[in-house]
Amino acid sequence: EIVLRQSPVTLSLSPGEGATLSCRASQSVGSSLAWYQQRPGQAPRLLIYDASNRAPGIPARFSGSGSGTDFTLTINSLEPEDFAVYYCQQRSNWYTFGQGTKLAI
Amino acid sequence: EVQLVQSGAEVRKAGESLKISCKGSGYTFTSYWIAWVRQMPGKGLEWMGIIYPGDSDITYNPAFQGQVTISTDNSINTAYLQWSSLKASDTAMYYCARRFAGRYFDNWGQGTLVTVSS
Repeated sequence: EIVLRQSPVTLSLSPGEGATLSCRASQSVGSSLAWYQQRPGQAPRLLIYDASNRAPGIPARFSGSGSGTDFTLTINSLEPEDFAVYYCQQRSNWYTFGQGTKLAI
Repeated sequence: EVQLVQSGAEVRKAGESLKISCKGSGYTFTSYWIAWVRQMPGKGLEWMGIIYPGDSDITYNPAFQGQVTISTDNSINTAYLQWSSLKASDTAMYYCARRFAGRYFDNWGQGTLVTVSS
């Protein structure tokens, strides 16, 4: 089983600042990694797939990068609605999620 | 518009059975895998299993194998997650999600909160 570790656990920033979230895999997943956003009381929402492709309707301030074992989600100029929990996810023989990073004001 | 609409919140006692549902619309239901994902209170996301409605092929996370049953009724475009004997530790939010590009989940249901009292 591939384990995904996200850092930091909590990231405290202010609106207008930029955010960098990290996801590290226990072994290579190539470019097969996704990022999701979960706002309080809501279902997760797909943001990024295949490490760097934005899902339909996702604002351009969200971008993903990385390959192999190290991946980054970057959010430029944080909006109030961006403060949420973010998960990375991969599929090897089955599907696993990271433990999440809480982006807090 | 693709939509997955889940059944409402449930409250049960330990030992009881339960079946929750996820109805798909806006796409060809039998052409996309549907997964179930658990989120325990204040915790992260755990993949439980996935089913292909087209041929009922199912893969379970080993951690959930034997604990739950996943099925579909294609005549009403609905996927199900069921328990034969609930435990208090089954208290969680359960999401269904449609698989995309063979690896990811592009559409999610709104979640069904299951509360099990001991």
